[in-house]
Amino acid sequence: EAGVTQFPSHSVIEKGQTVTLRCDPISGHDNLYWYRRVMGKEIKFLLHFVKESKQDESGMPNNRFLAERTGGTYSTLKVQPAELEDSGVYFCASSPSLAGSYEQYFGPGTRLTVT
Amino acid sequence: AQSVAQPEDQVNVAEGNPLTVKCTYSVSGNPYLFWYVQYPNRGLQFLLKYITGDNLVKGSYGFEAEFNKSQTSFHLKKPSALVSDSALYFCAVSAPFSGGYNKLIFGAGTRLAVHP
Repeated sequence: EAGVTQFPSHSVIEKGQTVTLRCDPISGHDNLYWYRRVMGKEIKFLLHFVKESKQDESGMPNNRFLAERTGGTYSTLKVQPAELEDSGVYFCASSPSLAGSYEQYFGPGTRLTVT
Repeated sequence: AQSVAQPEDQVNVAEGNPLTVKCTYSVSGNPYLFWYVQYPNRGLQFLLKYITGDNLVKGSYGFEAEFNKSQTSFHLKKPSALVSDSALYFCAVSAPFSGGYNKLIFGAGTRLAVHP
């Protein structure tokens, strides 16, 4: 079974530019999550999709961040315009909608550097 | 406010010795507790979880953790450390009144270094 994949693995952009991160969850997983780890601190929740619907976006820092999951498969996270404080590692995770399944399966992350 | 604390930035242990990585939490409602490990240039890998039942849970690679409700702790342990256990370890919790069971709250991570 293929795991969660993320693209790109690294991205370096200048302040004010736009970047789009992509996440492909494990096939069949209805739940998709985005998290972010900034400056070696805690990994923080950004948002949660159930299929194509945003279930919880309470962790999205501001309106420069836009997440989509068209068709309920892969997801994109766009940052526009990027600011210096957006630098960090963005993780995507997925999980099935099965009773008793509580752990989330994480991708390798995208390291974003804004200069 | 809901939070997870991993009080040690780094834990050093000699190969063959027992190891403990500490985690305490503060959430509202009955918690679900998790440990994840991150090896260099890899994603977070699930190690083990506590949902309900026996307070001692066993996971991958010989790791185990004990849920202590009175101390609000979920320390990760292994009886005999291996050099290959060297990695970054994250404790995480979810709870019904702290964002719900789908929202993981993480600690800052503890780097485990096992020396030959």
